[in-house]
Amino acid sequence: AQSVTQLDSQVPVFEEAPVELRCNYSSSVSVYLFWYVQYPNQGLQLLLKYLSGSTLVKGINGFEAEFNKSQTSFHLRKPSVHISDTAEYFCAVSDLDLNSGGGADGLTFGKGTHLIIQP
Amino acid sequence: NAGVTQTPKFQVLKTGQSMTLQCAQDMNHEYMSWYRQDPGMGLRLIHYSVGAGITDQGEVPNGYNVSRSTTEDFPLRLLSAAPSQTSVYFCASSYSTGLTEAFFGQGTRLTVV
Repeated sequence: AQSVTQLDSQVPVFEEAPVELRCNYSSSVSVYLFWYVQYPNQGLQLLLKYLSGSTLVKGINGFEAEFNKSQTSFHLRKPSVHISDTAEYFCAVSDLDLNSGGGADGLTFGKGTHLIIQP
Repeated sequence: NAGVTQTPKFQVLKTGQSMTLQCAQDMNHEYMSWYRQDPGMGLRLIHYSVGAGITDQGEVPNGYNVSRSTTEDFPLRLLSAAPSQTSVYFCASSYSTGLTEAFFGQGTRLTVV
């Protein structure tokens, strides 16, 4: 079965500072990795995804993530955060196997990291 | 383009009452899921469907029923509401499993008193 660990439940950062949100996963097979963002009182929306190819993937709003197979990690980074980046961020993994515990979309989510931007 | 629409947005129920949370998508997606979100717990899968007439249980199915009579609709029924079901519920749909983006509704905030 697959699982996702987001190492920090809350990350406070000053505006215009860089940020890294950490994500580690476990799976017995090849995986596909995603980061979703949830703004206050809204649903989740896709930030970026890794399916194959370059291990550095770029997403919306200046975010990027790097897939590291040897460390089973998919950390999310942004070089300079803005107050509008305040949100909950979820890392998710899929191995295309419906028996791995994910939903119809095959996704298993981490518990989320609350990014707090301080002025 | 509506995407995934959930109704109602807010609901207060008394213990023991039943209700249906509605979810509809207009993207012709085969795959749909229901999640609940609780503080510090992330998203937990309740039920999912890989097509009309096919449903299966997720991680926390007890107290909930689903059906999928059409591709567009995937309602979630609470049979006899309990305070432990106070949560925010999200419906999601996707074109396929794993490779494509899952689209989420805006959520239903349910309080059981």
